[in-house]
Amino acid sequence: DADVTQTPRNRITKTGKRIMLECSQTKGHDRMYWYRQDPGLGLRLIYYSFDVKDINKGEISDGYSVSRQAQAKFSLSLESAIPNQTALYFCATSDLEPGLAGGRQFFGPGTRLTVL
Amino acid sequence: QKEVEQNSGPLSVPEGAIASLNCTYSDRGSQSFFWYRQYSGKSPELIMFIYSNGDKEDGRFTAQLNKASQYVSLLIRDSQPSDSATYLCAVKMWDNYGQNFVFGPGTRLSVLP
Repeated sequence: DADVTQTPRNRITKTGKRIMLECSQTKGHDRMYWYRQDPGLGLRLIYYSFDVKDINKGEISDGYSVSRQAQAKFSLSLESAIPNQTALYFCATSDLEPGLAGGRQFFGPGTRLTVL
Repeated sequence: QKEVEQNSGPLSVPEGAIASLNCTYSDRGSQSFFWYRQYSGKSPELIMFIYSNGDKEDGRFTAQLNKASQYVSLLIRDSQPSDSATYLCAVKMWDNYGQNFVFGPGTRLSVLP
């Protein structure tokens, strides 16, 4: 069984539509992250959450919003999708407290989003 | 701006050779360093992490860390065609958004049979 799952795995949508990407985890981790990956740019942090009541912006949060519905669920929304949000989106969890050395991230399978 | 840099490659090595992948980072205070392997269209998979200066070995993989030079590397011994993938270096560092993982762009490795 997958520890971090993402739905949908693929999505094609049109400019201006609202899209929600969902992430669930069974690892019991408090911390969850959303990244996007574009060719040649690596992984860039969109939002992260250290617990249910904690939401933080990352490097590229403009145009995105998130909701942490429970410890195990973290959703990413594109309020009004635009073509340059076409990318591969990954959800991740990690297993150590902030401020300490360490912390390993575990990634979901990814969602390939295309905005036409 | 906190950065992690890698040569994008592709790095081509013959089967059985040693592949050497390099990464430099900008934040001298960073303490935690990670290597992920990513096959095309798949998610990153953690293969090594290192916190202390020196070498850390795990099977065919060795991570090397030199904090004074702000340099971390990954050696893959006896490279196999199945090692062909993109290798992402990640550093846990404080930036404008808190303490987070900053990823390099990745190095694409091709192991030739």
